[in-house]
Amino acid sequence: EVQLVESGGGLVQPGGSLRLSCAASGFTVSSNYMSWVRQAPGKGLEWVSVIYSGGSTYYADSVKGRFTISRDNSKNTLYLQMNSLRAEDTAVYYCGYPIRGVIVYWGQGTLVTVSS
Amino acid sequence: EIVMTQSPATLSVSPGERATLSCRASQSVSSNLAWYQQKPGQAPRLLIYGASTRATGIPARFSGSGSGTEFTLTISSLQSEDFAVYYCQQYNNWPRLTFGGGTKVEIK
Repeated sequence: EVQLVESGGGLVQPGGSLRLSCAASGFTVSSNYMSWVRQAPGKGLEWVSVIYSGGSTYYADSVKGRFTISRDNSKNTLYLQMNSLRAEDTAVYYCGYPIRGVIVYWGQGTLVTVSS
Repeated sequence: EIVMTQSPATLSVSPGERATLSCRASQSVSSNLAWYQQKPGQAPRLLIYGASTRATGIPARFSGSGSGTEFTLTISSLQSEDFAVYYCQQYNNWPRLTFGGGTKVEIK
């Protein structure tokens, strides 16, 4: 059974950093695409980033240069390093396992709040 | 960027009635369109992919149609558990996925 469990969210000041983790089970992260999607409070869904099995990475313009997606193959875990955080980055962050572009599996989400 | 526009923003429907949700893409996405359902406090759940193929375990009362720029999600007879927010998402421009703003289906 595929499971995704995010952690690492919390309250951080503007300009601060946070690293989110997504522990996967039931499949191999390194052999598949993995993605992050976020949802600001009361708002819709926004794609954030993806990492390919080969290691290529892509980012939404809103986070490019500030966020870094990575993975630890030995831990079967996906990460999102978030630097220079802004108030508008406040959201629930979901990790997702897309298959041919469709996010079939979602984690439960972790809340990031950027506020002083 | 492909912009996805959903309408209406809110749909008030009585249990047992049909609900029709629309999604429009700013340019053709072929049939690379998915629908998700999200309930409060939960992650989205995949309903439909390929514009019209139901995901595993999704009841037959959910159906999708359309191609190109115009898409529809129909719920044939609303059950109590169907009241939720529904999002469309294009993946024609993979990996740059974009979602619609959502349609909230509420009890009339």
